[in-house]
Amino acid sequence: DAGVTQSPTHLIKTRGQQVTLRCSPKSGHDTVSWYQQALGQGPQFIFQYYEEEERQRGNFPDRFSGHQFPNYSSELNVNALLLGDSALYLCASSLVSALGQKNSPLHFGNGTRLTVT
Amino acid sequence: ILNVEQSPQSLHVQEGDSTNFTCSFPSSNFYALHWYRWETAKSPEALFVMTLNGDEKKKGRISATLNTKEGYSYLYIKGSQPEDSATYLCALGGGYQKVTFGTGTKLQVIP
Repeated sequence: DAGVTQSPTHLIKTRGQQVTLRCSPKSGHDTVSWYQQALGQGPQFIFQYYEEEERQRGNFPDRFSGHQFPNYSSELNVNALLLGDSALYLCASSLVSALGQKNSPLHFGNGTRLTVT
Repeated sequence: ILNVEQSPQSLHVQEGDSTNFTCSFPSSNFYALHWYRWETAKSPEALFVMTLNGDEKKKGRISATLNTKEGYSYLYIKGSQPEDSATYLCALGGGYQKVTFGTGTKLQVIP
């Protein structure tokens, strides 16, 4: 049973460039959430995708966008990269049926370490 | 903005000691409370998800309690072992709500 997989594991980009990070959820999960984890902070919520739509969004600028595909996998895109975007980006999947399961935990991938120079 | 606060920020204990951490959150509009363990070079791993006031959960030497009326949860580790060294994250939300994390408590167990 494959867990959450993220690619790539590491990435180095230059200021102003664009980046795409990818995530495949745990088998059977239908919801993907993206988090940014900077040094000394807890994971900061970017957005959540369910049924191929953005359902919730955190306090991140429009430079951060995403997509969910019919197979539930997801992409995070960041445009016009800033030095401050350097962080670990975590993808988490969960099962949120139409019943809105309260006790569904998040399952995390190992993250993508993005460095912007 | 939902504030989830954890204390202490970091903790060093001797092997065999018992310890506990606190997670504080606004008591209004409570949905669910999560605890995760995040070991170095690994991904965060779910320990518990609690939804009801008075909930108590246990997993081996680790247990957690929940008080939604006063807005806090405690995580207890009995007889700490070096393998318990990790950052413990508390988070609020779930389902269709976003899950908001605290900054974590970093535990170091000294052999």
